[in-house]
Amino acid sequence: SYVLTQPPSVSVAPGQTARITCGGNNIRSKSVHWYQQKPGQAPVLVVYDDRDRPSGIPERFSGSNSGNTATLTISRVEAGDEADYYCQVWERSSDHSDVVFGGGAKLTVL
Amino acid sequence: EVQLVQSGAEVKKPGESLKISCRGSGYSFTNYWIAWVRQMPGKGLEWMGIIYPGDSDTRYSPSFQGQVTISADKSISTAYLQWSSLKASDTAMYYCARADYDYVWGTFRPFDYWGQGTLVTVSS
Repeated sequence: SYVLTQPPSVSVAPGQTARITCGGNNIRSKSVHWYQQKPGQAPVLVVYDDRDRPSGIPERFSGSNSGNTATLTISRVEAGDEADYYCQVWERSSDHSDVVFGGGAKLTVL
Repeated sequence: EVQLVQSGAEVKKPGESLKISCRGSGYSFTNYWIAWVRQMPGKGLEWMGIIYPGDSDTRYSPSFQGQVTISADKSISTAYLQWSSLKASDTAMYYCARADYDYVWGTFRPFDYWGQGTLVTVSS
């Protein structure tokens, strides 16, 4: 089965840029979606199809996907961005599709 | 406004049965898939399965096949997740989430709306 690998934690100072990676075999061939989950809350979609943002998500959130790594980039990080971030793809086989989540990366704002 | 509203927290004993719900509103419930996602305490997200309320087409993650049952009642815009015999290891937060399907590319879309979660605690 397909595996997505994320770093357990990422730390960044306020105002700096955070980059959260998601590794997978030839992940560039898949559409990667990213979710933000703050403590005690449900996940929220922040980037879909590698780089698109849903309505209401700040432009500070962006994504890219190349080779074996997809990346969520958060520019001008704010204290309110502190959360767990999960990448997700759909793994399609001949007769079905499965959801695959990365293990999640905890973003700490120093 | 699209909303997924889940049933309240449950406390159960091992061996008991349970059915939790997820009611959709603000959109055509029969035209989108509803997935269930487990989050064990302090852990990540795990996909359990997905159902299309329009015709009850259901797919399960291999990890959860046979362990739970996913169903839907389109007349009341509600999807369900049920267990016949709970275990302590079923203690977790359970989320429902909505997904569209791209029939041109034959792929599911991202989970754009999520329920607030239902906490299930199984303890003797």
